[in-house]
Amino acid sequence: AQKVTQAQTEISVVEKEDVTLDCVYETRDTTYYLFWYKQPPSGELVFLIRRNSFDEQNEISGRYSWNFQKSTSSFNFTITASQVVDSAVYFCALSAEGYQKVTFGTGTKLQVIP
Amino acid sequence: NAGVMQNPRHLVRRRGQEARLRCSPMKGHSHVYWYRQLPEEGLKFMVYLQKENIIDESGMPKERFSAEFPKEGPSILRIQQVVRGDSAAYFCASSPPAGLMNTEAFFGQGTRLTVV
Repeated sequence: AQKVTQAQTEISVVEKEDVTLDCVYETRDTTYYLFWYKQPPSGELVFLIRRNSFDEQNEISGRYSWNFQKSTSSFNFTITASQVVDSAVYFCALSAEGYQKVTFGTGTKLQVIP
Repeated sequence: NAGVMQNPRHLVRRRGQEARLRCSPMKGHSHVYWYRQLPEEGLKFMVYLQKENIIDESGMPKERFSAEFPKEGPSILRIQQVVRGDSAAYFCASSPPAGLMNTEAFFGQGTRLTVV
């Protein structure tokens, strides 16, 4: 069975602060994929990143960075210099089925205060 | 290049009625996935379909729910005799046929079903 845990239900930060969203996963599979999605107040799902289990390199994309550590089964997401537009619910997700059947965490609601 | 199109965006049904949710995948995508998001929760996988085939329906409720993806036309998620607990956002995602995990699934904007 697969499981994704996002222990932080809600986080509030002041604009320009850095914030890290935690994600811990469980799977018995050796090959799997991890994802982060953003769901703004408008409700759509925005894909942010996909990482496979063989690639532990950290990734940076603008103000976004991801820290994948297999030893602790974590795939944390950091937003640097947060902005009000970053306010959304962020979902971490996992797939090990070889197709896009994805197990989502319960999400972390991020509020960036101006 | 249109994305995944879901309609309607909002649907209101009275208890006992039927709800039909439509999903047109991205051009060139022949794989469709349906997810349900209950209020204040994450998305839960429901069903995975290819054209004219149900591949994985392990997340579908045993009764009242069905899904199809015909050779022509959109994928349909059908909920019969809706109850208040069916109120949720239903998301559809699509992916291309080859190298499924070499790309992400693209999600539609969702259909928000309200049962009154």
